[in-house]
Amino acid sequence: GAGVSQSPSNKVTEKGKDVELRCDPISGHTALYWYRQSLGQGLEFLIYFQGNSAPDKSGLPSDRFSAERTGGSVSTLTIQRTQQEDSAVYLCASSAAGGNSYEQYFGPGTRLTVT
Amino acid sequence: TQLLEQSPQFLSIQEGENLTVYCNSSSVFSSLQWYRQEPGEGPVLLVTVVTGGEVKKLKRLTFQFGDARKDSSLHITAAQPGDTGLYLCAGVRSNYQLIWGAGTKLIIKP
Repeated sequence: GAGVSQSPSNKVTEKGKDVELRCDPISGHTALYWYRQSLGQGLEFLIYFQGNSAPDKSGLPSDRFSAERTGGSVSTLTIQRTQQEDSAVYLCASSAAGGNSYEQYFGPGTRLTVT
Repeated sequence: TQLLEQSPQFLSIQEGENLTVYCNSSSVFSSLQWYRQEPGEGPVLLVTVVTGGEVKKLKRLTFQFGDARKDSSLHITAAQPGDTGLYLCAGVRSNYQLIWGAGTKLIIKP
């Protein structure tokens, strides 16, 4: 079946512009996560959705970052007034509710470059 | 504060050699996961270890969870170029929260 997809795969934007990053999770997965990864580094947690609700937004770096999820499916991460330090790969993951494995399935990421 | 420390950060070895990478924490986790990430892709789960002292084998990869469930190791026997990638460990804290290490970048030279 289809995995997690993200778009665009690459985004180059000028400092100060707004960007929207999209994530399509695996069908039926109720949990959705956004992470940020700097070159060759580990994952920085941004936000977690369960259904359309975000019980944990603690990782969002500033109020310029926001995310929403609609219909328990597609999620959009929005970065307003982008800064150069926002340049990174933004990864989305989804997982099924319940179970003991807590496996997260990742998309290929969106590489954001702020010039 | 990095709750999960991975070492080494970088390892480059010749094909056929053995290696071990480590994932250490002062915190206890209900379980621990290992992922591998290749360039341009998201991480992919390799294994989940749940019980203290547990050892899991996946072909040439052997994963061990410490008795106290605070640390883990990944041993690769006879490494191959296809093993090249970023190896990430993640501690499971709750039914949704994973605590991630910074990763070990592994290069296997033919």
